[in-house]
Amino acid sequence: GQNIDQPTEMTATEGAIVQINCTYQTSGFNGLFWYQQHAGEAPTFLSYNVLDGLEEKGRFSSFLSRSKGYSYLLLKELQMKDSASYLCAVSPFSGGYNKLIFGAGTRLAVHP
Amino acid sequence: GAVVSQHPSRVICKSGTSVKIECRSLDFQATTMFWYRQFPKQSLMLMATSNEGSKATYEQGVEKDKFLINHASLTLSTLTVTSAHPEDSSFYICSARQGADTQYFGPGTRLTVL
Repeated sequence: GQNIDQPTEMTATEGAIVQINCTYQTSGFNGLFWYQQHAGEAPTFLSYNVLDGLEEKGRFSSFLSRSKGYSYLLLKELQMKDSASYLCAVSPFSGGYNKLIFGAGTRLAVHP
Repeated sequence: GAVVSQHPSRVICKSGTSVKIECRSLDFQATTMFWYRQFPKQSLMLMATSNEGSKATYEQGVEKDKFLINHASLTLSTLTVTSAHPEDSSFYICSARQGADTQYFGPGTRLTVL
C-alpha cells in the first residue's frame, strides 16, 4: 500500500529554524512535493524533489533520500506568516496521470 | 507559478439539490485535472482524475454517479455533486497539472449542505 508519515504538529519561535520530516512507502516513486496550506485555503506549491539531495529556494529548502524513503522541509528565519500546515506528497507512478498521495500534514505554529 | 481558479468559492444548498463547481486553468492548458476533498484538520483525499476528452478515473469508494466530472476543454473541468446531503459538506479543491508532475491548486470551494 501507500503510506506517508509526518508529524502532526510542531511549534517554533520566530526567527528560528525548523525541520519537518516526511517518510514514505509507496509502490513506486516519481517525485516528492511539499505544499504549504493556510487554514481555509488551498495548498500552494513549495518544492519538488526527484533526485537525492538538497534543493534550496530562499528561506525554504527540501531534502530527499530515495534509498531511505525520507524527505525533510527546512524553514529558516521563521516568520509568523509561516504558521500553516505543511503537506508532504509523493507521486508514486511514472508516466500516466501522476496522481499525488498526500500525508496528513504537519501543523506548524510559530510563536513570537 | 501557474494560476488555477475555482467557482464558486463558497456555496450553501439544501439537501437533495445538485451543485456544480468549476475549475479553470487560467494561463496554461491542462490535459489532466484532479479533484480532492478535504475535511477539517485532515489532509487532501483524491476523489478523481479528470482527463480532457475522456471519462474521469475515480478513486476507490468514490461514487461516480454522485460526483459527476466533465473535462470539456483543456482549461475547464467541472464537478457536480448530485443530490447533495449534509455528509457531502466539505472543502473541495481542484488542481491542474502543468508539465510532467507539478500540480497547482485552485482556491477551493466550501460546500455546506443544510
